[in-house]
Amino acid sequence: QLVLTQSPSASASLGASVKLTCTLSSGHSSYAIAWHQQQPEKGPRYLMKLNSDGSHTKGDGIPVRFSGSSSGAERYLTISSLQSEDEADYYCQTWGTGPQWVFGGGTKLTVL
Amino acid sequence: EVQLVESGGGLIQSGGSLRLSCAASGFTVSSNYMSWVRQAPGKGLEWVSVIYSGGSTYYADSVKGRFTISRDNSKNTLYLQMNSLRAEDTAVYYCARVENDEYFQHWGQGTLVTVSS
Repeated sequence: QLVLTQSPSASASLGASVKLTCTLSSGHSSYAIAWHQQQPEKGPRYLMKLNSDGSHTKGDGIPVRFSGSSSGAERYLTISSLQSEDEADYYCQTWGTGPQWVFGGGTKLTVL
Repeated sequence: EVQLVESGGGLIQSGGSLRLSCAASGFTVSSNYMSWVRQAPGKGLEWVSVIYSGGSTYYADSVKGRFTISRDNSKNTLYLQMNSLRAEDTAVYYCARVENDEYFQHWGQGTLVTVSS
């Protein structure tokens, strides 16, 4: 079964960096994912598609300080030089046969 | 510029029906894969349905047989007909453009559906 696992929360200080993790279920370690950001009271926003080799395709207007990387079944979103507007929920998402689209449970990022 | 604007949400009694609309601009709905995704209050995102450019439709098991996705090419608008609504269908419903049958590249602002029991 295709499942994405995220930690429920993360925090980091203003100006610092943070690395969020999304883990693919067993047997799906080669899958690409997408990262989405959801600021409070807003709709989601596509950040990037992240492949298993770490290459990624960012959405229009996404700042350089958002980057992605991969290792095995783990997919990472790194946000550097944290700003207050980065405080949001971050969701990873993947796709599979069926068809099906699957989301992780989301990580709530607090900027201290 | 791509824009998606949902409408049609509201308060409805359990067992009732509602039709959501998603007006698109900046691209052609019929040439793209379009989807509905929902988010229950305080919860995460859940894929609901997709319509392919060729017209094929697919649904999550939780809504299969009760919801119908469709589009009006002349209005460049996506719809979601929701029947036999249940309390657990209460959520903000987002329409989204699907890129390459893979990820949701553009999202609307959402419309809230509240089902009272």
